[in-house]
Amino acid sequence: EAAVTQSPRSKVAVTGGKVTLSCHQTNNHDYMYWYRQDTGHGLRLIHYSYVADSTEKGDIPDGYKASRPSQENFSLILELASLSQTAVYFCASSGTGGAGNTLYFGEGSRLIVV
Amino acid sequence: GDSVTQKEGLVTLTEGLPVMLNCTYQTIYSNAFLFWYVHYLNESPRLLLKSSTDNKRTEHQGFHATLHKSSSSFHLQKSSAQLSDSALYYCALSEANTNKVVFGTGTRLQVLP
Repeated sequence: EAAVTQSPRSKVAVTGGKVTLSCHQTNNHDYMYWYRQDTGHGLRLIHYSYVADSTEKGDIPDGYKASRPSQENFSLILELASLSQTAVYFCASSGTGGAGNTLYFGEGSRLIVV
Repeated sequence: GDSVTQKEGLVTLTEGLPVMLNCTYQTIYSNAFLFWYVHYLNESPRLLLKSSTDNKRTEHQGFHATLHKSSSSFHLQKSSAQLSDSALYYCALSEANTNKVVFGTGTRLQVLP
């Protein structure tokens, strides 16, 4: 079974502070993704990566940075957290081999910015 | 760019009645994949079923969907809803060239006794 783990699972951050969400996968997958989940917006893609040391912008990258130091690890960084970034964040991984690859999601990280 | 539309935000029905959750999409790629993911409360979203073949019915765990490229639709159906089907359902589209996956806004299915 695919394994994607996220940390922290829950965090309260202050406005203007720095937040790092971490994701680790043991699936040997090349692709990793960061999504945020908001009621009424569903899952929206922030950043993704298909190889270590390289990241790509998703649909809503503003205010977020990403880092992929190794195949297994993918971090999402909020340099200056804002109230609008309060959401649940999901990391996912998938293999190569075409567009039909299944996404395997982590448990989610609930971020509250105050 | 590609997009997925799920018009119903909430579908409420009584146990035993049929389920139909609507999904339409827009893409320039003729070989895109369509997916349904299910997200149960306090769990991770997971794949329910997927397809890239036109007019072929795909089934899993009692649910089924048929990709219709002529109408750009991939509706999710089940003949008889169960209480345990209550969850958030996402339709998604995978871009052929980038492996980028775009999700719809989700439909919450609430099954009542």
